[in-house]
Amino acid sequence: GAVVSQHPSWVICKSGTSVKIECRSLDFQATTMFWYRQFPKQSLMLMATSNEGSKATYEQGVEKDKFLINHASLTLSTLTVTSAHPEDSSFYICSGTSFSYEQYFGPGTRLTVT
Amino acid sequence: RKEVEQDPGPFNVPEGATVAFNCTYSNSASQSFFWYRQDCRKEPKLLMSVYSSGNEDGRFTAQLNRASQYISLLIRDSKLSDSATYLCVVNRVSGSARQLTFGSGTQLTVLP
Repeated sequence: GAVVSQHPSWVICKSGTSVKIECRSLDFQATTMFWYRQFPKQSLMLMATSNEGSKATYEQGVEKDKFLINHASLTLSTLTVTSAHPEDSSFYICSGTSFSYEQYFGPGTRLTVT
Repeated sequence: RKEVEQDPGPFNVPEGATVAFNCTYSNSASQSFFWYRQDCRKEPKLLMSVYSSGNEDGRFTAQLNRASQYISLLIRDSKLSDSATYLCVVNRVSGSARQLTFGSGTQLTVLP
């Protein structure tokens, strides 16, 4: 299957700082990338959908000014958590899809805000 | 009501046991259905798609009942390595890309 990487795999930051998470499709061109968040013992919740070269579409309740998504190329999308707070601590997972519509997931990034 | 509902478990079964998971979904317009497996602190991985006719992949059998909006997964002869959280996933196609809705998962522990 296709490979998606995420960087960093885990990060600890102080409250009020910003954190950028990268999602890369390594062996395919991801026309669409999805960003999910998963809190402990809960399901993956879709945060936003981004198509290469256009603005992301955010799910209801997700602040677009807090979670900045950039999908400038077919192999890279970034999620920036701005002014992070402890309640933003979570497992962030991206996935990419090409014209086959199969979603390929990255290994996730565990964010802890202290 | 959640769009996809699962029994959270946990299910603790001995090796070799048969175990079944159930899932219901609320959106009758849902297009496709899947079971994913998620290990602790890892990303979900596709286990199998679910078809109305029922499908089998080795020890795993999936069933879909569209009329009842019900999906099931049966694991036979369970192995220690089957211990994981099993996610029921439903696809609602939006625009040109799939959008997956995940259940909260059913935790399985296979005991030696």
